[in-house]
Amino acid sequence: AQKVTQAQTEISVVEKEDVTLDCVYETRDTTYYLFWYKQPPSGELVFLIRRNSFDEQNEISGRYSWNFQKSTSSFNFTITASQVVDSAVYFCALSVRRNTPLVFGKGTRLSVIA
Amino acid sequence: EAGVAQSPRYKIIEKRQSVAFWCNPISGHATLYWYQQILGQGPKLLIQFQNNGVVDDSQLPKDRFSAERLKGVDSTLKIQPAKLEDSAVYLCASSHDRGAGELFFGEGSRLTVL
Repeated sequence: AQKVTQAQTEISVVEKEDVTLDCVYETRDTTYYLFWYKQPPSGELVFLIRRNSFDEQNEISGRYSWNFQKSTSSFNFTITASQVVDSAVYFCALSVRRNTPLVFGKGTRLSVIA
Repeated sequence: EAGVAQSPRYKIIEKRQSVAFWCNPISGHATLYWYQQILGQGPKLLIQFQNNGVVDDSQLPKDRFSAERLKGVDSTLKIQPAKLEDSAVYLCASSHDRGAGELFFGEGSRLTVL
């Protein structure tokens, strides 16, 4: 069975601070896919990134970066110079095959204060 | 490209009443998912369709929930009779078979059962 743990329930930071959201996953499959989604107050889940288990390269996209470490089964997400618009609930998710359901963590609510 | 459309956005009913939610996925997406998101939790899969066939409905409470996707395009999720614990946001998502595996979500239908 697959499991995703996001231990941080809520995080509050002041604007322009850096913040890291933690994600730890469990699976016995050697091939799997990891995702991050953002859920703003409007409710729609917005896709941010997908990583497959064979690609451990870290990725940077603007102020967002992701650190994938198979040794610790972690896929952490860092926002640099946070902005108020980053306030949302962020979900980490896992699937073991393409076009199979994602298993989500419980989410981390990020509040960025001006 | 139009996103995943869902309706209604909000619904309030009394327990034991019935309710139906509608979803129109992104054009060309063969796979459609219904997720239930209870307040403060991550989305949980209810059912997955591939075209008009059910791939996974193991977590669907079949005594009260039903879903169909008759023509392989839009889908309806029904709850009858509703219970208090069914209060949640019902999210529809779709994915492309030849895509990278990410799910595209609608804004959700928020159900309150009184």
